[in-house]
Amino acid sequence: ELKVEQNPLFLSMQEGKNYTIYCNYSTTSDRLYWYRQDPGKSLESLFVLLSNGAVKQEGRLMASLDTKARLSTLHITAAVHDLSATYFCAVVSDSGKLIFGQGTTLQVKP
Amino acid sequence: NAGVTQTPKFRVLKTGQSMTLLCAQDMNHEYMYWYRQDPGMGLRLIHYSVGEGTTAKGEVPDGYNVSRLKKQNFLLGLESAAPSQTSVYFCASSFRQGAAYEQYFGPGTRLTVT
Repeated sequence: ELKVEQNPLFLSMQEGKNYTIYCNYSTTSDRLYWYRQDPGKSLESLFVLLSNGAVKQEGRLMASLDTKARLSTLHITAAVHDLSATYFCAVVSDSGKLIFGQGTTLQVKP
Repeated sequence: NAGVTQTPKFRVLKTGQSMTLLCAQDMNHEYMYWYRQDPGMGLRLIHYSVGEGTTAKGEVPDGYNVSRLKKQNFLLGLESAAPSQTSVYFCASSFRQGAAYEQYFGPGTRLTVT
């Protein structure tokens, strides 16, 4: 059974700092999504990572995928308050379903 | 193009009452999904549908029923609501299921069962 674990679950950081959110998964998969969720809102797709070594960047966020280590990272560079949200990774199982991590709540303080 | 819409946005039920949540998509997607989101647990799949007239169980199907009578609509029913079903419910749709086919999410329905 595929399990997806994120850490940390909560992250409070100062503006301008860098940090990384980790997403580990338990069985083979080479497809992974990162989503952002603002309080009371739906999920917004950030990145789709489709192969080993894939790296995608959008603004201050960069996501990477290492399928051999079963690990994806979401790196935040020079955080700003607007990045405050909950971030989810989700991995596609061998049956084609999305399995979500618990989410990481990011709070960026001025 | 509205994408994925959900009705209602909020609902409060008493234990034992029933209700139906409606999900509609206008993207001609084959696959539709119902998830629930609870604090600290991410999203969990309740039921899904691979096409009109078909449904299948997900990770947490107990206490829920679904129907897909029209391709664009996916209904989630609670026959006898329980406090454990207090949650935020999200519908999603995709062209196909699997790696390359991104799921698009609706705005969510916040359900409280007292």
